[in-house]
Amino acid sequence: AQTVTQSQPEMSVQEAETVTLSCTYDTSESDYYLFWYKQPPSRQMILVIRQEAYKQQNATENRFSVNFQKAAKSFSLKISDSQLGDAAMYFCASGPGSQGGSEKLVFGKGTKLTVNP
Amino acid sequence: KAGVTQTPRYLIKTRGQQVTLSCSPISGHRSVSWYQQTPGQGLQFLFEYFSETQRNKGNFPGRFSGRQFSNSRSEMNVSTLELGDSALYLCASSTRRGTEAFFGQGTRLTVV
Repeated sequence: AQTVTQSQPEMSVQEAETVTLSCTYDTSESDYYLFWYKQPPSRQMILVIRQEAYKQQNATENRFSVNFQKAAKSFSLKISDSQLGDAAMYFCASGPGSQGGSEKLVFGKGTKLTVNP
Repeated sequence: KAGVTQTPRYLIKTRGQQVTLSCSPISGHRSVSWYQQTPGQGLQFLFEYFSETQRNKGNFPGRFSGRQFSNSRSEMNVSTLELGDSALYLCASSTRRGTEAFFGQGTRLTVV
């Protein structure tokens, strides 16, 4: 069974500073993807960044980047130059790769990020 | 391009009743997944439909069911509602595995 663990229920960061959210996962799949989703108070889940497990290069999307350590099964999210709009719940998730049986995402419990002005 | 649309946004039901939630995926997306989100259990996978076939099912009782129509729209049904079914129900659509799953804004179900 797949599991995703986020050990930080809450984090806070000063505006313009950098923060790192932690995530570890466990999967028996050889082909899988990892995701970070953001859920603001509006409840809409928004994809922040996506990493293919077969790629060694860490994914980046503007101010968001990941540190993917496959052997350690670790997938942390770094937010640089934090903005007030980054305040939200952040969920780490794993899902099957293109050869998987179905589109099922397994989510961590989430980390609530507060951005202080 | 319209996003994933879930209706209704809010729902209040009484224990023992049944409820049907609807999800219209993004045009061209054939996979629709449903998730239940609660403060205690977090986000849990309910089921996934692809081309009108249930491809995977989570660990939920048989009171939870779903279906998908030929236009990819999906419905989920919960019968004999219990207080513990109160949750945010999220629907997501995607084109294929490994790509971004686009989520709707959810249906907030309250069972009283």
